Amino acid sequence: GDSVTQMEGPVTLSEEAFLTINCTYTATGYPSLFWYVQYPGEGLQLLLKATKADDKGSNKGFEATYRKETTSFHLEKGSVQVSDSAVYFCPSIEGAQKLVFGQGTRLTINP
Amino acid sequence: DSGVTQTPKHLITATGQRVTLRCSPRSGDLSVYWYQQSLDQGLQFLIQYYNGEERAKGNILERFSAQQFPDLHSELNLSSLELGDSALYFCASSVGGAGNNEQFFGPGTRLTVL
Repeated sequence: GDSVTQMEGPVTLSEEAFLTINCTYTATGYPSLFWYVQYPGEGLQLLLKATKADDKGSNKGFEATYRKETTSFHLEKGSVQVSDSAVYFCPSIEGAQKLVFGQGTRLTINP
Repeated sequence: DSGVTQTPKHLITATGQRVTLRCSPRSGDLSVYWYQQSLDQGLQFLIQYYNGEERAKGNILERFSAQQFPDLHSELNLSSLELGDSALYFCASSVGGAGNNEQFFGPGTRLTVL
């Protein structure tokens, strides 16, 4: 079945550093892919998504490109800020019905 | 603000008790999802309802049950509570019932079982 593998954390960076959080998928087709973020004390919220191969999702300076050649959907940001400290999830899709979120990747940005 | 509301925000109760968590989805969303988030288990999918019917089931214990009412709000009932049930419980909603729909999360209910 379809599955997604997310890089485990935690990840600690300094402010203005470049960020990459890896996410790779296996699928027979081209499922929609997502990145969700959970800021401290809040619920999850959709950060960006891509619905087909070669799509690029972007939001708040974050980008992820749906690359079918490498079956990847890595999250990137050129210059992180302290306010980006959060837990990031690249959920997998099981069947047609549900997203599986897992532990996520905890990102800490130090000033 | 996602448009999803959850009540109560905090709940403290004792082992063996029963509690009900309530969720109101975004206006127009037909699907409601329940998740449990604990430090050791991460975010675990419990159950999904779509337009009043159970659509998908995850790692939901038999002591837990849920339903979605005709006005589309949902309730998660947790009974015979144990210490290990202490967690954040999130509700999410989406327009459709398929897994590739964007889900909008509520602020969560923090349950503490003493």
